[in-house]
Amino acid sequence: DADVTQTPRNRITKTGKRIMLECSQTKGHDRMYWYRQDPGLGLRLIYYSFDVKDINKGEISDGYSVSRQAQAKFSLSLESAIPNQTALYFCATSVVAGDGYNEQFFGPGTRLTVL
Amino acid sequence: SQQGEEDPQALSIQEGENATMNCSYKTSINNLQWYRQNSGRGLVHLILIRSNEREKHSGRLRVTLDTSKKSSSLLITASRAADTASYFCATDEGFNKFYFGSGTKLNVKP
Repeated sequence: DADVTQTPRNRITKTGKRIMLECSQTKGHDRMYWYRQDPGLGLRLIYYSFDVKDINKGEISDGYSVSRQAQAKFSLSLESAIPNQTALYFCATSVVAGDGYNEQFFGPGTRLTVL
Repeated sequence: SQQGEEDPQALSIQEGENATMNCSYKTSINNLQWYRQNSGRGLVHLILIRSNEREKHSGRLRVTLDTSKKSSSLLITASRAADTASYFCATDEGFNKFYFGSGTKLNVKP
């Protein structure tokens, strides 16, 4: 979805390096999410944010941190990358409809390799 | 741990046939959604079914939900080669946090 962009699209780094993945959206959604996907598996939630002042841990937040710089921007950092953080990372946004239900809109993903 | 689990893990059919994939989950949900992912790309929302609904249609897609069995199925009728992708169910317990299953990889042969 072109309305949700992620940079970089691919990144190779070394163990111990600090890495930042960025997500921007033009959909005007309040809610943003970071997921990781490992080969053959579904998505696991790392962090989510329901507005600029609200940050919450997901299933697998250890080793990650996030920053919600603005409504449109949500960054994911790996403080000290390790090889088992090699994965495909997705950012997603959502907005709650009037009836309380919402779908998510995904970015194209960032393929991260930690050597 | 993941909430939804899809079955089968992989499915290969001929173009024109119907494809059925199933999702089971563990706890009470507010709604269940199905997403599609083309190889290595972002997920695209297909359909949402609320916990008080039993069946929903959208084009060639039919979704059913059985809350007593904690399961859902996605049926794609008259499949096309372009339907080749991975399909994921995602459950929302009502807090707008989504739990994704491991997916069904569908291959539609022309």
